[in-house]
Amino acid sequence: QKEVEQDPGPLSVPEGAIVSLNCTYSNSAFQYFMWYRQYSRKGPELLMYTYSSGNKEDGRFTAQVDKSSKYISLFIRDSQPSDSATYLCAAWGQKLVFGQGTRLTINP
Amino acid sequence: DADVTQTPRNRITKTGKRIMLECSQTKGHDRMYWYRQDPGLGLRLIYYSFDVKDINKGEISDGYSVSRQAQAKFSLSLESAIPNQTALYFCATRAPGGETQYFGPGTRLLVL
Repeated sequence: QKEVEQDPGPLSVPEGAIVSLNCTYSNSAFQYFMWYRQYSRKGPELLMYTYSSGNKEDGRFTAQVDKSSKYISLFIRDSQPSDSATYLCAAWGQKLVFGQGTRLTINP
Repeated sequence: DADVTQTPRNRITKTGKRIMLECSQTKGHDRMYWYRQDPGLGLRLIYYSFDVKDINKGEISDGYSVSRQAQAKFSLSLESAIPNQTALYFCATRAPGGETQYFGPGTRLLVL
């Protein structure tokens, strides 16, 4: 079992929809949780990170961590075609562990 | 200019050949990483280095070796390439005490 599990999708939604991306993890030692965005033929770039449980909002993006259920979420409001990318969740304890990535397409 | 650069960006090689992928960074970070990315498997750590004299194996180091020539340079070698090493390879850096890793643009490797 991978330490961080993520549904690889693909996920396709219409423009303007609310997108929910989710991951689960198994290691209770993880303290920091991140979301990376990767455009086609590019390296991953950090989108957001949170420490421990709670929510963090940045514009149209909200990251949520529930340590009691070991669940990580990313919500995208008013989704745009430019949000089309692969989204990778990651968790940090003594090392950074990535989920498999979810390929998201926003259709105009 | 990009903070983390990788060369080459694309490479086709044959089974049994030795190849080297190079990574350079201008971020001044001491920590550097090599990952490979495969469809459905996400990013997996090959090797990492906390400084020039510190090299550590990741979860999938077999068949690979690395060299940290300087704080800013970290190279990955495939001594004898095999087809299942066909993948997208990424270099990343991290500052001490920081949680964020910064990735290069990747090298797409095809082993025939």
